[in-house]
Amino acid sequence: DADVTQTPRNRITKTGKRIMLECSQTKGHDRMYWYRQDPGLGLRLIYYSFDVKDINKGEISDGYSVSRQAQAKFSLSLESAIPNQTALYFCATPSERGDQETQYFGPGTRLLVL
Amino acid sequence: LAKTTQPISMDSYEGQEVNITCSHNNIATNDYITWYQQFPSQGPRFIIQGYKTKVTNEVASLFIPADRKSSTLSLPRVSLSDTAVYYCLVAPLGKLIFGQGTELSVKP
Repeated sequence: DADVTQTPRNRITKTGKRIMLECSQTKGHDRMYWYRQDPGLGLRLIYYSFDVKDINKGEISDGYSVSRQAQAKFSLSLESAIPNQTALYFCATPSERGDQETQYFGPGTRLLVL
Repeated sequence: LAKTTQPISMDSYEGQEVNITCSHNNIATNDYITWYQQFPSQGPRFIIQGYKTKVTNEVASLFIPADRKSSTLSLPRVSLSDTAVYYCLVAPLGKLIFGQGTELSVKP
């Protein structure tokens, strides 16, 4: 499976602060995804990218922005963090199967906004 | 967009077969049905995918009726380590939508 890393793994920040979550993959996949998970809820898609110049909004993009600096890197930014953005954030890439329905997820970043 | 509905939780005992059903009434012709497993504090992990009839791999089986409006994930002889949340996923137009998931608890 794709080697997906996320940094930081845990982060505490304050309301109004700008924060960036980073995701890197080593398998050269064109597609990368950012999801958010809240306690007791499923994953919701924030943004996805089909290549460096193709970025698309997902289900819940408001309050977030992304940057695809290179094929291997996809960053998620909260320009002005608010408490209801406290959640577990996952980055994902396609699995070795290659289709978009089967994805490999990173270890996640746990974000707390005070 | 297709939406999935699953039971919120299920209980089972070690060695039993577990069947989790997912409803997706508005599934589109080109959509595949995919199931994921998630352990606490980890990302979801792909289990199985199918389009129609039955698919089996080393982990599970997936049963899909002819109308494709539902699907059933079957886990044979579960163990304690199968305790997790299981998500049914339908992918309309390339936008992945996870259901709320089924929390499976396997007891000794």
